[in-house]
Amino acid sequence: LAKTTQPISMDSYEGQEVNITCSHNNIATNDYITWYQQFPSQGPRFIIQGYKTKVTNEVASLFIPADRKSSTLSLPRVSLSDTAVYYCLVGDRGSTLGRLYFGRGTQLTVWP
Amino acid sequence: EAGVTQFPSHSVIEKGQTVTLRCDPISGHDNLYWYRRVMGKEIKFLLHFVKESKQDESGMPNNRFLAERTGGTYSTLKVQPAELEDSGVYFCASSLEPTGGEQYFGPGTRLTVT
Repeated sequence: LAKTTQPISMDSYEGQEVNITCSHNNIATNDYITWYQQFPSQGPRFIIQGYKTKVTNEVASLFIPADRKSSTLSLPRVSLSDTAVYYCLVGDRGSTLGRLYFGRGTQLTVWP
Repeated sequence: EAGVTQFPSHSVIEKGQTVTLRCDPISGHDNLYWYRRVMGKEIKFLLHFVKESKQDESGMPNNRFLAERTGGTYSTLKVQPAELEDSGVYFCASSLEPTGGEQYFGPGTRLTVT
């Protein structure tokens, strides 16, 4: 199981771009990288998933270098409502064992 | 489309009592998961249902925890008898496929055992 390492906390101001990097040195060939967001008193919410290179959706972008040993979640022009905990997860999407492994996550605080 | 719902949102019970948590997954989702976060710790997997069958229950902490999913719809998680260390937030999630990717989480049930 590939362990993930990400910063415990980050601070930003409204309107800035935020990049959260996650290290997963032992990522396996079949593993995908998934990011979840969690607001206080809510369950985690899927943001984005990727295998390699770059993935973009309406919420964020995910950058994965060729060696896949790390990934970067990019949030463009954050607002106060983006204050949340962000989790980086690595797992085999093809597995029938659907369990997710959550680490400590990164507490992002956006200031006005 | 309704999301995953959980009931109750908060439960306070005394040590030794029994509590039953309920989860209603998104309609049509065969895969249902239970997770929990104990104070100060990470969110941990408890078990995974595929329809009414337990696909993986390796995360269940002990035999005081009993999960059921009769008829493959809603699920219950019973803790009997509850201990102080069972306090935490219990999350339920569901998904169409067991992809290990996108799961839809409910808001959680905060359980406090005094």
